[in-house]
Amino acid sequence: VQLVESGGGLVKPGGSLRLSCAASGFTFSSYTMNWVRQAPGKGLEWVSSISSDSGYIFYADSAKGRFTISRDNAENSLYLQMNSLRADDTAVYYCARGFDYDLLTDYYKALDYWGQGTQVTVSS
Amino acid sequence: DIQMTQSPSSLSASVRHRVTITCRASQSISSHLNWYQQKPGKAPKLLIYAASSLQSGVPSRFSGSGSGTDFTLTISSLQPEDFATYYCQQTYSPPHSFGQGTRLEIE
Repeated sequence: VQLVESGGGLVKPGGSLRLSCAASGFTFSSYTMNWVRQAPGKGLEWVSSISSDSGYIFYADSAKGRFTISRDNAENSLYLQMNSLRADDTAVYYCARGFDYDLLTDYYKALDYWGQGTQVTVSS
Repeated sequence: DIQMTQSPSSLSASVRHRVTITCRASQSISSHLNWYQQKPGKAPKLLIYAASSLQSGVPSRFSGSGSGTDFTLTISSLQPEDFATYYCQQTYSPPHSFGQGTRLEIE
């Protein structure tokens, strides 16, 4: 399993950026995918998830209305379109695979593989 | 939204000692609780899923317990490579929030 993020960089407040995550080593179209970010010196913040068929999409409140998650199963790629960027969006952005563990009583979700992250800096 | 609170925020301990980190959810999340380890400059690594199930390849000195709102991560005998930051995460309902992290340092 390999997840490789790209598309990060320096952008001015109010600007836009599109992150990509190239997946390999597994059947991408079968898994929920996630974006998680980490501001400098801070903890992890879950940003968004998208189900295998794009039928279920969820966002953190901080991302709603500004970020759009999408995927292309034919290209084994995950995306995060980020608009109206603010200084507090500065972070390392990770893509992570969601795995559903079947423990008979229920399905339990976890993020079992992560990319190395891409740095997004929002500054004038 | 469900809030996750870890304690302590930081912890000092010695090699071969036993440590416990706690995580509390603002409402019941059954056993939908995961633990991750993160070392500086690296991506997080999944340790425990479903509150108490050990991820493949993770040493057995790591264990998790709890259900409902209160959870613990225990490291039975600290090794040098265990000094890192640990995060809990709930996946009961989106947004799948993380705790603020517990930094484990060498004493």
